[in-house]
Amino acid sequence: DVKVTQSSRYLVKRTGEKVFLECVQDMDHENMFWYRQDPGLGLRLIYFSYDVKMKEKGDIPEGYSVSREKKERFSLILESASTNQTSMYLCASSYQGPRGYGYTFGSGTRLTVV
Amino acid sequence: DQQVKQNSPSLSVQEGRISILNCDYTNSMFDYFLWYKKYPAEGPTFLISISSIKDKNEDGRFTVFLNKSAKHLSLHIVPSQPGDSAVYFCAAASGGYQKVTFGTGTKLQVIP
Repeated sequence: DVKVTQSSRYLVKRTGEKVFLECVQDMDHENMFWYRQDPGLGLRLIYFSYDVKMKEKGDIPEGYSVSREKKERFSLILESASTNQTSMYLCASSYQGPRGYGYTFGSGTRLTVV
Repeated sequence: DQQVKQNSPSLSVQEGRISILNCDYTNSMFDYFLWYKKYPAEGPTFLISISSIKDKNEDGRFTVFLNKSAKHLSLHIVPSQPGDSAVYFCAAASGGYQKVTFGTGTKLQVIP
């Protein structure tokens, strides 16, 4: 089974801090994604990447950046954390194969910005 | 602009009965649809999908129906079990990168 691992389950950071959320997948998937989940808003795409060093903005990229230096690792960076970035962050991966396959998600990182 | 909508935030069903979760979409370019299930403190897990060339896909107790003309899909769970209690997300995709747009989720509670 594909495993997607997010480095932290819970994080508490201060306003203005630079925050790194790490995600690693172990099945050589080309595509990786960062979502945030908020009550009443569902899952919203922040950034995605379809190859090493490639990145594309999702629906809500403001205040975030990403890094993909290796195929298995996709990092989400909050340049200067703000309280409105308090959320559940979910990383996912998928392969560029036949259209019959969904995402595999990590367990999520609950980030609180105080 | 919410392109994938789940208008029912919650649903309660008796064990053994049918659960029907609904989803509407607005983007005509979507050609692939998925359902995910999420338990608290876990990431969503893929449940079932359907291509726009089909109108029904079945996997055990789970069936997804697609009505393209109405831009509507639904997930049927028969019979419902207490372990099905979770948040269900509808999702839709188009294009080549498998970028997926998710709905807001419906919390299903199956009452024993």
